[in-house]
Amino acid sequence: DTAVSQTPKYLVTQMGNDKSIKCEQNLGHDTMYWYKQDSKKFLKIMFSYNNKELIINETVPNRFSPKSPDKAHLNLHINSLELGDSAVYFCASSQRGRHQPQHFGDGTRLSIL
Amino acid sequence: AQSVTQLGSHVSVSEGALVLLRCNYSSSVPPYLFWYVQYPNQGLQLLLKYTTGATLVKGINGFEAEFKKSETSFHLTKPSAHMSDAAEYFCAVMKGAETGFQKLVFGTGTRLLVSP
Repeated sequence: DTAVSQTPKYLVTQMGNDKSIKCEQNLGHDTMYWYKQDSKKFLKIMFSYNNKELIINETVPNRFSPKSPDKAHLNLHINSLELGDSAVYFCASSQRGRHQPQHFGDGTRLSIL
Repeated sequence: AQSVTQLGSHVSVSEGALVLLRCNYSSSVPPYLFWYVQYPNQGLQLLLKYTTGATLVKGINGFEAEFKKSETSFHLTKPSAHMSDAAEYFCAVMKGAETGFQKLVFGTGTRLLVSP
């Protein structure tokens, strides 16, 4: 029944590793997003996809590569992890439209050792 | 450019007291405004939104917010706080709605603390 689900919930890894976070939504939405929440709780958008096409890339380093195999899934792959990547990453989805609210997953807490 | 400012990183109230969380926005176009709540170790949950029309917006859990264009504000209120309201609250404005490349721009959040 979970509307936007992310896996894993926690991810602990070492610097330099490559990791992926998966996101799925069962709301029938056609737009999906990745947000990053830093240690001070500040939230900022990273990417947005609409019907599998990238529409927003918020000057995120090339080490971050989103992939959308279909409009219900938006995965985030991160190469060569750095200490500064430690954060909580949230996936969200919405219908495309002027004032459609975004629905968020529970987040993935990424900790880099 | 659209942005929001939340005044007060922490707000403390007693159970049963009025809750007032402040949000001011900056926007060159009519704004679409949202309040989200984040409980510990959880994602963000939509409380309410303002798009057009009625300026007093009612949301879930007894919260409401009033859009005041003259004051560029969208403050969140609840008449009587419950212990379960303790959480982080985020005000957000939707940017790019007119182009379809929309994204939420969040304020820095306000932590609501409720004491017995």
